Amino acid sequence: GIQVEQSPPDLILQEGANSTLRCNFSDSVNNLQWFHQNPWGQLINLFYIPSGTKQNGRLSATTVATERYSLLYISSSQTTDSGVYFCAVVKRAGNQFYFGTGTSLTVIP
Amino acid sequence: NAGVTQTPKFQVLKTGQSMTLQCAQDMNHEYMSWYRQDPGMGLRLIHYSVGAGITDQGEVPNGYNVSRSTTEDFPLRLLSAAPSQTSVYFCASRIAGHTGELFFGEGSRLTVL
Repeated sequence: GIQVEQSPPDLILQEGANSTLRCNFSDSVNNLQWFHQNPWGQLINLFYIPSGTKQNGRLSATTVATERYSLLYISSSQTTDSGVYFCAVVKRAGNQFYFGTGTSLTVIP
Repeated sequence: NAGVTQTPKFQVLKTGQSMTLQCAQDMNHEYMSWYRQDPGMGLRLIHYSVGAGITDQGEVPNGYNVSRSTTEDFPLRLLSAAPSQTSVYFCASRIAGHTGELFFGEGSRLTVL
């Protein structure tokens, strides 16, 4: 398989603050996604980002595949950003997604 | 805009009972998969399929069976439920190959007493 480590495991922010979530992986990948699991349990696609940088509103992500990590940036956080953020990867020449254990984010008003 | 549909959303079983979790997708995705989510352990792959008639085991396959007779459907069967199978189950699909976004259903919460 492949090891996927996310940090920090837990994060508490004041509304309006910025944060950076990190995903490290132990092998070369050709697919990487970030998901947000909301408090109702739904898994929502945030970014498909095997390499490079993407932005979507207040969220952006960067993957440096050669150094085996990806970062998710949340700016001007809102209470609706609360939930668990997962990183998932597909190992090169594989087809299974492996998930990290997530970062639990709580944004307080 | 159905995407990936799972049924039932909630189920309570007694130890030893059998049941099937249904998963259907309308995106013509070749790849389908089942995950279970337990507290503090992220999502773990149970079984997956890369097309009709083809299935394979993931990280935690024991106690579960799958089949893929059509592109659209990928049911997960528990033949003799155990309390250790209490979990939230997610079905997901994507296009074939190494790339492509994975899309999830809304989950099925199973409790085995």
